[in-house]
Amino acid sequence: DAMVIQNPRYQVTQFGKPVTLSCSQTLNHNVMYWYQQKSSQAPKLLFHYYDKDFNNEADTPDNFQSRRPNTSFCFLDIRSPGLGDAAMYLCATCTGTDATEAFFGQGTRLTVV
Amino acid sequence: AQSVTQLDSQVPVFEEAPVELRCNYSSSVSVYLFWYVQYPNQGLQLLLKYLSGSTLVESINGFEAEFNKSQTSFHLRKPSVHISDTAEYFCAVSDRRALTFGSGTRLQVQP
Repeated sequence: DAMVIQNPRYQVTQFGKPVTLSCSQTLNHNVMYWYQQKSSQAPKLLFHYYDKDFNNEADTPDNFQSRRPNTSFCFLDIRSPGLGDAAMYLCATCTGTDATEAFFGQGTRLTVV
Repeated sequence: AQSVTQLDSQVPVFEEAPVELRCNYSSSVSVYLFWYVQYPNQGLQLLLKYLSGSTLVESINGFEAEFNKSQTSFHLRKPSVHISDTAEYFCAVSDRRALTFGSGTRLQVQP
């Protein structure tokens, strides 16, 4: 089935050690999003791509970066994870620029120790 | 700028009872509205959406939501809930760029 797949589902990293989360899609959607969801909170948009056009939210920390080497893959890099970066990270895709329907992956739960 | 308010963080309800989860939004542009459901340690699944046309939208599993422009609301309802409906429900608004979510409502269906 066409899907949005996030790997790994669970990631444990050490304080300050760089970590990369990955997302792939078989939907051939132009738009890809990364959201951060902390416990009992709303998902918060970090960045999104329209094709290779990168859009960073104003309040996304510099510690977070993203790469989209092709339509199918998108990566979230956390350069120096802190305890406050522990969260569920959600990747989503959408067909066009008007965000009429977003398809979400299962998420990666990041633990920082 | 846009925002979504879900006034109830938790809604306990008995099985087969009706339920309403409230959602209000604010936006400076016309919007699309959504309800997503999230089960523990899972991603978000689209439940239903309002883009245009009929203000009452329905999902395949018995939920419905009504867009009320004058009250800027998009409340979610179900006439009879099941244990399997226990989950977190997020209301979201799109400004045609990205989704902005409310803080979620935990629906707890008790036998």
